[in-house]
Amino acid sequence: AQSVTQPDIHITVSEGASLELRCNYSYGATPYLFWYVQSPGQGLQLLLKYFSGDTLVQGIKGFEAEFKRSQSSFNLRKPSVHWSDAAEYFCAVGDGVDSNYQLIWGAGTKLIIKP
Amino acid sequence: GAVVSQHPSRVICKSGTSVKIECRSLDFQATTMFWYRQFPKKSLMLMATSNEGSKATYEQGVEKDKFLINHASLTLSTLTVTSAHPEDSSFYICSARGYRDYGYTFGSGTRLTVV
Repeated sequence: AQSVTQPDIHITVSEGASLELRCNYSYGATPYLFWYVQSPGQGLQLLLKYFSGDTLVQGIKGFEAEFKRSQSSFNLRKPSVHWSDAAEYFCAVGDGVDSNYQLIWGAGTKLIIKP
Repeated sequence: GAVVSQHPSRVICKSGTSVKIECRSLDFQATTMFWYRQFPKKSLMLMATSNEGSKATYEQGVEKDKFLINHASLTLSTLTVTSAHPEDSSFYICSARGYRDYGYTFGSGTRLTVV
């Protein structure tokens, strides 16, 4: 069955330091891949997505992610985090083909920023 | 960009009463809407998928008589929690997708507390 794994439940990073959040998936075909961010008590905001093409995807708020097929990974990165980046981050895989797919979610990684 | 409005953002109700949550797509026609429930420190769990004008498809384990979903128009879907109990307290989030749209837009979520 398809699955998404975010191995880190929470990560603590100093403000200004670089960040990498890990996401691994299990899916038979080329997946649609997403990263969402959820601030406390808020809904989800799409950071970036990968459907095809360039495997390095640029998103909003200075985030990027790289699709590595050989590693079944789609890790999220940011060169320098800001205190406002503290939130919960979810990786998701689109399960299906074309536009008829549902999202399979990772468990989320809580990002804590140290001043 | 696409916007989904979800109301109310917070609601407190007495045990045994019903609560309705609205999800509106403000600037696009949402052919498909999804309802999620998020348990504390857990990822999102898909409750049901609704297509405009047809009955919702519920995920296994979700009581359709308890969580009534109506998707009567291309811009509005509602989730009614009937005879709510404290265990129904949770964060509920809707998302919507339009025609030929590969992305999802999420509402800001509703925090339901049943006392």
